Amino acid sequence: RKEVEQDPGPFNVPEGATVAFNCTYSNSASQSFFWYRQDCRKEPKLLMSVYSSGNEDGRFTAQLNRASQYISLLIRDSKLSDSATYLCVVKRGNNNDMRFGAGTRLTVKP
Amino acid sequence: ETGVTQSPTHLIKTRGQQVTLRCSSQSGHNTVSWYQQALGQGPQFIFQYYREEENGRGNFPPRFSGLQFPNYSSELNVNALELDDSALYLCASSWTEGPWGEQFFGPGTRLTVL
Repeated sequence: RKEVEQDPGPFNVPEGATVAFNCTYSNSASQSFFWYRQDCRKEPKLLMSVYSSGNEDGRFTAQLNRASQYISLLIRDSKLSDSATYLCVVKRGNNNDMRFGAGTRLTVKP
Repeated sequence: ETGVTQSPTHLIKTRGQQVTLRCSSQSGHNTVSWYQQALGQGPQFIFQYYREEENGRGNFPPRFSGLQFPNYSSELNVNALELDDSALYLCASSWTEGPWGEQFFGPGTRLTVL
């Protein structure tokens, strides 16, 4: 079993739709959590960190459930520019050892 | 642009050869991590260097080795290349301060092994 598992996707949604991505992790000692975004043939870039109380950044909302070892990302009012692969990332500790999920591809269509 | 640079951008090698990939970290960052990303997969952690010492390693064989230099730049060396080593190799730099330090990725080196 992979340490970080994500919805396999792909997700194809119309502009303006709300889309949710799910992620589970197996290492209960994991300390911090992130969503990264990766455009086609580009490097990953940090989208947002995920805090225990949940957090929001504009149209993006991230949730963490430590008991269930589950992370989610909600995108509201999807834009064409949101088309990308979304990577769930779990960090084990202070040494920056980050484990990535396989990613979920999102395509937003006009 | 993150300020993290990698060279070369593309590389073609044959099985059994050796390769060295290079990474220059963002100014002020003391930690470099290397990842292998196969097509359609997320990046897989190879190892991390902090102050010139290996500081964690993923599930990769010893033929994957690295170095970090006093200016915090880094090299990834792969010996006895195999076809499955074909992938995008990403380095990421960060400042090691607690669990929330962001990693900044370079553009990657795309390695093809024939």
